[in-house]
Formats: sequence, C-alpha cells, structure tokens
Amino acid sequence: SAVISQKPSRDICQRGTSLTIQCQVDSQVTMMFWYRQQPGQSLTLIATANQGSEATYESGFVIDKFPISRPNLTFSTLTVSNMSPEDSSIYLCSVDYLQGGNTEAFFGQGTRLTVV
Amino acid sequence: KQEVTQIPAALSVPEGENLVLNCSFTDSAIYNLQWFRQDPGKGLTSLLLIQSSQREQTSGRLNASLDKSSGRSTLYIAASQPGDSATYLCAVTGTASKLTFGTGTRLQVTL
Repeated sequence: SAVISQKPSRDICQRGTSLTIQCQVDSQVTMMFWYRQQPGQSLTLIATANQGSEATYESGFVIDKFPISRPNLTFSTLTVSNMSPEDSSIYLCSVDYLQGGNTEAFFGQGTRLTVV
Repeated sequence: KQEVTQIPAALSVPEGENLVLNCSFTDSAIYNLQWFRQDPGKGLTSLLLIQSSQREQTSGRLNASLDKSSGRSTLYIAASQPGDSATYLCAVTGTASKLTFGTGTRLQVTL
C-alpha cells in the first residue's frame, strides 16, 4: 500500500490569510488528487495534480483560490487562498496505487482547517 | 453525472450484531468500487476494493458485494464491535480515475 503523510493535521486561521497543505507519498505516483470534505458532507474532488503539468480543476474550483504545486512524483501542495469561514473543511490528498494488478485509492490523514 | 447514495445515513446496533450497509450508484460504467472507513476528523482508510468484473471481496469480518448492472453494493460486517464505530463511505471510480463518493453511513456499535 501507499503511505501518505499530510501536514498540518489541523490549523485555525484568520480570514483573509492563506494556508498551504503538504502531501508526501512514500512511492512515486503519476496522479495525486485533492479533496474537500465540508462539515457533515462527503468528499468532493477539487483537482487532479500531475507532475510537470498544470493541475486540472473540477467545476466550482479555480486555480486562484486553490493553487496546487506538483514538483515531483512524491510530493504536492494545495494552498487555500484568501480564506473565509466557508473554507472550513477537512482537506485530503489521495493517490492511486497499483497493487496486485488493481488500482486502489489511498488517502492521507487529512488537514482539518477552521477559519475564524 | 454519477451519483452515489448510501442507506442508512446512520445506524446504531448493539455489539455482536451482524449488519449491512448499502450503496447505490446511478451510472454502471465504473472501473471499481471501494469501501472506506473514516474516524471523526480523520482521513480515510481503505477497507475493500471490488473490481467491476468481480462480485465480492472479503477481508476478515468484512464482506463487500457488487452488482454492477443494478448499481448496488453492500458491505456486510459480521459480529460488530465497538471499535467498528465510524463513518463508512463507498466510492466508485469512473473515467480519468475520478472517485465519486457516497454520502456515508455513520455507524455506532454500543456495548
């Protein structure tokens, strides 16, 4: 399986500031995914990050608000910019890992963000 | 657009009971289906992965089935324990490796 380390695990931030979340994988992966889970809701895909190219954003998410970096095959960052209380959520990174001939999704432990 | 629904939204059972969680999806063109466990405020732990060509997968006290044509999956938990208390999420993989998640079932196993 893939082991994913996500930092920070939680943070409380002032509105108008930005927070960068880091995601480190213990093996090289082609695609990394960033999700948001709003309170009491399920997960929503923000964007897909490939190494060496611009991230692909889902409907409703834009690069100016959620810039993503993918400098190599084991690391990615997601920045939540100009935060408002509505950004309070758990943010999770995920990778697809080929194991036993099957592709399985693995997740980091999440970053719990509270904007005040 | 794929939509994934889980029933029930919440479930409370006494320890030792066997239970079934349900997941349904609207578009049967999936590559696989995964069941995850999420503890409060935490990330997701993968429990079982079923490929679209498979009917079921088992791991310990967990058994997941998949009926792709009818758009349904079930997660069976045998002899439930308090440590099983968590939210259980199912997710289907469609095009471009994108996961669509269900709404989750919040399970509480009481002593």
